[in-house]
Amino acid sequence: DTGVSQNPRHKITKRGQNVTFRCDPISEHNRLYWYRQTLGQGPEFLTYFQNEAQLEKSRLLSDRFSAERPKGSFSTLEIQRTEQGDSAMYLCASSLVDGEGQFFGPGTRLTVL
Amino acid sequence: EDQVTQSPEALRLQEGESSSLNCSYTVSGLRGLFWYRQDPGKGPEFLFTLYSAGEEKEKERLKATLTKKESFLHITAPKPEDSATYLCAVQARGYQKVTFGIGTKLQVIP
Repeated sequence: DTGVSQNPRHKITKRGQNVTFRCDPISEHNRLYWYRQTLGQGPEFLTYFQNEAQLEKSRLLSDRFSAERPKGSFSTLEIQRTEQGDSAMYLCASSLVDGEGQFFGPGTRLTVL
Repeated sequence: EDQVTQSPEALRLQEGESSSLNCSYTVSGLRGLFWYRQDPGKGPEFLFTLYSAGEEKEKERLKATLTKKESFLHITAPKPEDSATYLCAVQARGYQKVTFGIGTKLQVIP
């Protein structure tokens, strides 16, 4: 296993469309995180899964955002009715132990026209 | 609410010129403080975790230290390949949310 992978790497969509991103964590990692990063800012926490359970979710996360990790392996992040303000890099990370550093994927860059 | 403030926002060094990056934080019970390196267009790369005041960790030309209110990332004799954005982040006890600062963009000139 070479690390966390994310697909697609780039997505361009029109305002109002739905988009879905996929994250494949490091295989033995049971903890999975989603972040959003805009230019010049640090990553902003969106949500956390332990195995298949979604245990934490940012208060800032709109109802248009939903994430799943159905079998405790890969995860998907869906954004419904995209807005221009959703344009950002969406990062996925995984880890094995609480309080240890996370391993990030390369991100999916979303552009909403 | 957890907060992380990094300074300076940008730093330009000559190759071999040592310096320090600062990370000030407030958190309701520290679980861990993290340093990451991020290259343009890539995800952050994990460097260090610090857990308690007085702790230090080193990796090649980098050394991270922690007090109750701040962390420093010391860069000794930097090389051009150390050019990147360095991110500081904190996690509070009992939560999984990690709060990041905006980073320090380091440029090392040959």
